[in-house]
Amino acid sequence: GAVVSQHPSRVICKSGTSVKIECRSLDFQATTMFWYRQFPKKSLMLMATSNEGSKATYEQGVEKDKFLINHASLTLSTLTVTSAHPEDSSFYICSARHSPRGGHTDTQYFGPGTRLTVL
Amino acid sequence: AQKITQTQPGMFVQEKEAVTLDCTYDTSDPSYGLFWYKQPSSGEMIFLIYQGSYDQQNATEGRYSLNFQKARKSANLVISASQLGDSAMYFCAMREGKDNFNKFYFGSGTKLNVKP
Repeated sequence: GAVVSQHPSRVICKSGTSVKIECRSLDFQATTMFWYRQFPKKSLMLMATSNEGSKATYEQGVEKDKFLINHASLTLSTLTVTSAHPEDSSFYICSARHSPRGGHTDTQYFGPGTRLTVL
Repeated sequence: AQKITQTQPGMFVQEKEAVTLDCTYDTSDPSYGLFWYKQPSSGEMIFLIYQGSYDQQNATEGRYSLNFQKARKSANLVISASQLGDSAMYFCAMREGKDNFNKFYFGSGTKLNVKP
């Protein structure tokens, strides 16, 4: 299947600093990528939809100034957690929409996730 | 109302036996897609199987099959011949509409434990 990478896989930072997480589609182009947040033993919560070349669409309750998303190319989207605080500690997962040529199945392939710990 | 409901927080199954993970969904859109993902303890989400709302036959992928009952709005995942490596969280998800930009709704997940 299609491969999506995330970097870093794990990050620990001090409160008040900003952290950037990268999401890359390695073997396909993704005009749309999604950012999720997952609390321990909980489901994935969609934070925002990232569209290449345009502004991200944020879900209700997600602070767009806090979670900056940039989809600079067809293979890269970044999520920056600005002025991180301990309550931002979580598992962040990105996914990229993959539409294989000739196939009817359009699905999302997920990155391996980034575990953020804010001290 | 919840878009996706998974009523089994945890399940146990004996190795080599089959297990069914329940999923019901709620939508008024005639066009939608249903997905199952596996999330091992390492965290990555692994795509397992897809069923389109207009598909006439139940989807199958190796040991995975999707028991799609449209009238009941259920999309249960059946894993045959369970293996120890199947122990993981399983999430059911739905995408409404034909627009491929539409977001996914995820259920709360089912933790499957396969016993040797």
